Amino acid sequence: QKEVEQDPGPLSVPEGAIVSLNCTYSNSAFQYFMWYRQYSRKGPELLMYTYSSGNKEDGRFTAQVDKSSKYISLFIRDSQPSDSATYLCAMSLSGYALNFGKGTSLLVTP
Amino acid sequence: EAGVVQSPRYKIIEKKQPVAFWCNPISGHNTLYWYRQNLGQGPELLIRYENEEAVDDSQLPKDRFSAERLKGVDSTLKIQPAELGDSAVYLCASSKGGFDTEAFFGQGTRLTVV
Repeated sequence: QKEVEQDPGPLSVPEGAIVSLNCTYSNSAFQYFMWYRQYSRKGPELLMYTYSSGNKEDGRFTAQVDKSSKYISLFIRDSQPSDSATYLCAMSLSGYALNFGKGTSLLVTP
Repeated sequence: EAGVVQSPRYKIIEKKQPVAFWCNPISGHNTLYWYRQNLGQGPELLIRYENEEAVDDSQLPKDRFSAERLKGVDSTLKIQPAELGDSAVYLCASSKGGFDTEAFFGQGTRLTVV
């Protein structure tokens, strides 16, 4: 069993919808939680970076960490076709070596 | 500010041949990572450098993979000899280091071994 589990999708939503992406993990020592967006044939792009529990908001993106449930989420409001990409969750004990999920493929249709 | 630069973008080689990838991190970033991303998977860490020192190489297959980071800036990852199973995207990332661990990735090198 991998330390980080993420449903690969694909997830298809209409433009303007609220998107919810999730990951679960098994290592309770993880302290750093990130979300990356990866377009086809590109490198991962850091979207959100959170230390420990709580919520963080940046524009249309909100990241939530629930350490008691070992569950993290990324919400995208007013989704746009340009949000179509693979979303990778990542987490770490020290902030350094990242443990990634498989990624969830998202398609936002006009 | 320039991001992490990797070259080449694509490489096709025959099995048993050697191959090398190059990475130039963001200026001022002391921490450099090499990750491997297989199709449909998330990246997996191969090696992490703090300046010139390799501080985490536990996932690097040392029988065929080697890496170096001379002068604590650019880095090279080498595979010799390559195997079919090495086909993947090799990603370089960097972060400032210390308490600033936000990692920024390059575009990657897509390796195909035939």
